[in-house]
Amino acid sequence: EAGVTQFPSHSVIEKGQTVTLRCDPISGHDNLYWYRRVMGKEIKFLLHFVKESKQDESGMPNNRFLAERTGGTYSTLKVQPAELEDSGVYFCASSPGGQAYTAENTGELFFGEGSRLTVL
Amino acid sequence: AQTVTQSQPEMSVQEAETVTLSCTYDTSENNYYLFWYKQPPSRQMILVIRQEAYKQQNATENRFSVNFQKAAKSFSLKISDSQLGDTAMYFCAFMKPASYDKVIFGPGTSLSVIP
Repeated sequence: EAGVTQFPSHSVIEKGQTVTLRCDPISGHDNLYWYRRVMGKEIKFLLHFVKESKQDESGMPNNRFLAERTGGTYSTLKVQPAELEDSGVYFCASSPGGQAYTAENTGELFFGEGSRLTVL
Repeated sequence: AQTVTQSQPEMSVQEAETVTLSCTYDTSENNYYLFWYKQPPSRQMILVIRQEAYKQQNATENRFSVNFQKAAKSFSLKISDSQLGDTAMYFCAFMKPASYDKVIFGPGTSLSVIP
């Protein structure tokens, strides 16, 4: 079974440019999360999709960030225009749907390897 | 709001020795879930161990065990018989037991196992 995949693994862009990160969750996982880790600090929550709907987007830093999840499958996170402080590693994670902490969904998140964004 | 703190940015341990990573958290919830995740260099993050707050018994997974002190809001990870493959970033994490909720992570501890 394929795991969570993220693309690109590393992106270097100039300030003011646009970047789109993509995440393919594990097939059948309803929950999809985006997190970000900046300069060795804590991993911060950005947003959470349940299928195609945004369940919680309280962590999105500002309106330069736009996340979508087409048809409840893969998700994209677009940063436009990128600023220096957007540099960091963007992690995507998925988990099964349904009631948490059951045999079906133990609360475990399955992560991708992350997309490192460098804004110059 | 819940917060997770890891006071040890970096640690090292000799191969085959035991090491304990510290984690404290702050919450007003009575029931919740705690996790330790591990991210090896250039690899994805994986779950190491999970603890439900309503369970008094500390969770164990082979060489990994936790010391969960609910009153003190402490959740440390003990790695016994450390192996080179244990070298990684370790993140402590918290989650409320809602059906759909986000996981809150600490800043991480970088562990190096020395041959």
